[in-house]
Amino acid sequence: DQQVKQNSPSLSVQEGRISILNCDYTNSMFDYFLWYKKYPAEGPTFLISISSIKDKNEDGRFTVFLNKSAKHLSLHIVPSQPGDSAVYFCAASSGGSGNTGKLIFGQGTTLQVKP
Amino acid sequence: NAGVTQTPKFQVLKTGQSMTLQCAQDMNHEYMSWYRQDPGMGLRLIHYSVGAGITDQGEVPNGYNVSRSTTEDFPLRLLSAAPSQTSVYFCASSYRGVRPDTQYFGPGTRLTVL
Repeated sequence: DQQVKQNSPSLSVQEGRISILNCDYTNSMFDYFLWYKKYPAEGPTFLISISSIKDKNEDGRFTVFLNKSAKHLSLHIVPSQPGDSAVYFCAASSGGSGNTGKLIFGQGTTLQVKP
Repeated sequence: NAGVTQTPKFQVLKTGQSMTLQCAQDMNHEYMSWYRQDPGMGLRLIHYSVGAGITDQGEVPNGYNVSRSTTEDFPLRLLSAAPSQTSVYFCASSYRGVRPDTQYFGPGTRLTVL
């Protein structure tokens, strides 16, 4: 059973517009959420994270929103740039305030930003 | 720092063969993990380790063995390869910090089992 789900396999947006990537989870024990970005033939790289005690975290062009009641989080990229074209993975952890080293990933969403 | 390194980058095996995927990190991270990436499945945790001498199973451990004799190395062993193990394998490491973010991933090993 997939505990973290990204239901949109792909997304295409125009350069300069907003990209919104969505992620749903089922395990109420998850208390830390992360987004990773992956280019072809490379390993994933950390992008942004959010603790369950917050509902929003912002880092430059990237903002993550968390709706705990809906068990839903989203990543907003504004403005989108062609270099943002990559696969984006949502991930979740249930380690409390500690790092367990275990992450549960979603299936990924391929973002294409068109010039 | 080299970060997380993985060898080999590519490997082709025949069914039943064994091999070891190597992973090393030079950041003195306590935690290390192995994931596999399959189309439509995302990244799935195979095994992980919270320190030298300590390992535990992840979501999909069957068919794989691990050991952690040093902080730096975390090899993944396939004892008898099966076509279902065709995948891209990623090793990751992180600090035993107060937040579980920033696992550092290696570049991956693409394995094909015929």
